[in-house]
Amino acid sequence: DGGITQSPKYLFRKEGQNVTLSCEQNLNHDAMYWYRQDPGQGLRLIYYSQIVNDFQKGDIAEGYSVSREKKESFPLTVTSAQKNPTAFYLCASSIVAYGESIQYFGAGTRLSVL
Amino acid sequence: GQSLEQPSEVTAVEGAIVQINCTYQTSGFYGLSWYQQHDGGAPTFLSYNALDGLEETGRFSSFLSRSDSYGYLLLQELQMKDSASYFCAVSNQAGTALIFGKGTTLSVSS
Repeated sequence: DGGITQSPKYLFRKEGQNVTLSCEQNLNHDAMYWYRQDPGQGLRLIYYSQIVNDFQKGDIAEGYSVSREKKESFPLTVTSAQKNPTAFYLCASSIVAYGESIQYFGAGTRLSVL
Repeated sequence: GQSLEQPSEVTAVEGAIVQINCTYQTSGFYGLSWYQQHDGGAPTFLSYNALDGLEETGRFSSFLSRSDSYGYLLLQELQMKDSASYFCAVSNQAGTALIFGKGTTLSVSS
């Protein structure tokens, strides 16, 4: 089955620790995205990538980092610089990064701070 | 700045019709999308409007007025399973990712 796989489903971070959220897609999509969702806040864009080895900051990139070494993979690292990381993180992909392209979402990773 | 406004909550009964409005203010505009998200789940695409007018997909329809920077999602013959959050999202002409509204929580009761 084609789709987007996020792992883990739940993740706990200790103080000062970096953690990495995985996102893999087998839809052969060029563009991939990371969003953060807090209660009542909708989806806010962290980073997006239109092509391998290239990515752009979104509205709330501070404290996060990404890489895009392979078309199918777009991992997100939540660094210790992100002081309020508790949230629901959603990864998405689309055929092209503009216009009418539909975004397909993974099931999400729920990150909490210990 | 860029912003989207939609009501935070809407309630309705089974079989009814409900309209969720969305007004937007963006630096560029390419189209308006709607996504549905059940509690704790992944958002899923519902509809997209790039031109003025009504797009119909089964029980759901979406409308856009570019001159008024306004759109709405119309849900007919409501069912309990339609209880979810609904997000409007804007694509801008610069080719960046979607900008999402804060979402409208729809509660359908029997």
